[in-house]
Amino acid sequence: GDSVTQMEGPVTLSEEAFLTINCTYTATGYPSLFWYVQYPGEGLQLLLKATKADDKGSNKGFEATYRKETTSFHLEKGSVQVSDSAVYFCALSGRSTLTFGKGTMLLVSP
Amino acid sequence: GAVVSQHPSWVICKSGTSVKIECRSLDFQATTMFWYRQFPKQSLMLMATSNEGSKATYEQGVEKDKFLINHASLTLSTLTVTSAHPEDSSFYICSARGAGGSLGSGNTIYFGEGSWLTVV
Repeated sequence: GDSVTQMEGPVTLSEEAFLTINCTYTATGYPSLFWYVQYPGEGLQLLLKATKADDKGSNKGFEATYRKETTSFHLEKGSVQVSDSAVYFCALSGRSTLTFGKGTMLLVSP
Repeated sequence: GAVVSQHPSWVICKSGTSVKIECRSLDFQATTMFWYRQFPKQSLMLMATSNEGSKATYEQGVEKDKFLINHASLTLSTLTVTSAHPEDSSFYICSARGAGGSLGSGNTIYFGEGSWLTVV
């Protein structure tokens, strides 16, 4: 079945540091890939998505590129802010529902 | 703005009572809605998938008689936790996938804000 593996957290960074959260997947066919973010006390929000190979999703300074050859969709941001502290979930949408990774907590200190 | 609205955001109920959580899609028709449960420090666990007008499909290990799901219209699905117990206390999140259109494109799923349930 489909699966998503993402790096374990927490990831602790200082403000303005570069962020990478790794995500790899296993799926049949050609899934769409997503990053969702969950801020403390809130529900999930769609951060960005990519629907086919080599697509780059971007939003709020975050980027991720759909790499079919490496089955990866790593999340990056050039300069993180304290307000980026949250839990980030990588997910794929296959034929039916959404499969999530376990989430990676990001903590950004001033 | 939100495209999926979930209500209530938080609820406290007594053990043995039932609680209903609503999930509404705004601006698009949701042919499929999903209900997840999130345990502390863990990822989301899919509970069930519901298609409008038909019975929900429950994941293995989820009690269908305890977690009643109704998807009566293309914009509303409800989750009722019957005879709630403290171990049912959790964060419940719904999501919806549309039939098409500018927002509910078939391959994008939007989430509600989630509902915190505390059973005392």
